[in-house]
Amino acid sequence: DAMVIQNPRYQVTQFGKPVTLSCSQTLNHNVMYWYQQKSSQAPKLLFHYYDKDFNNEADTPDNFQSRRPNTSFCFLDIRSPGLGDAAMYLCATSRAGSEKLFFGSGTQLSVL
Amino acid sequence: QKEVEQNSGPLSVPEGAIASLNCTYSDRGSQSFFWYRQYSGKSPELIMSIYSNGDKEDGRFTAQLNKASQYVSLLIRDSQPSDSATYLCAVNAGGGADGLTFGKGTHLIIQP
Repeated sequence: DAMVIQNPRYQVTQFGKPVTLSCSQTLNHNVMYWYQQKSSQAPKLLFHYYDKDFNNEADTPDNFQSRRPNTSFCFLDIRSPGLGDAAMYLCATSRAGSEKLFFGSGTQLSVL
Repeated sequence: QKEVEQNSGPLSVPEGAIASLNCTYSDRGSQSFFWYRQYSGKSPELIMSIYSNGDKEDGRFTAQLNKASQYVSLLIRDSQPSDSATYLCAVNAGGGADGLTFGKGTHLIIQP
């Protein structure tokens, strides 16, 4: 089945230790998104790629970076995680111009 | 700033009754409206979309939109324990999914 896959499902890192979350998709969608969702909060868009074009949200901290080496894969790098970065990180995809999001299962990040 | 407001709940409804979930939004230019269901620790799943004033029915779910009042609601008939989840309202002013604004969600509990 075509899908969006996130690894790992749970990630524990130490304060200040760089961490990378990964996302892959078999839907061949142009657009890939990274959302951050804290407990009982709305998903917050961090950035998205339209093909290779990177679009950063204005209030996304510099601590968060992303890479999209090809259509299928997208990575979220957190350079120096703080306690406030503990959250569920959701990867999603969509066709260009479509409002329908296809979410991965998410990565729950804990920072110790 | 575009805002989407939802009562966080929990909203407790007896099994078999109608659950009514409400959402208001601030951007009068909003064109597209979505309801996502999110089980605890899981990613959001799209269950309804609505674009025109009035009602849209899909199985046990009915979405209602009133653009003049900037109000969208979701009714769940014959509520089942499996409907217990957080329901996120999302609103878009057009274009792709990067314009979606999510609410914080309403936590719904269906009591057996």
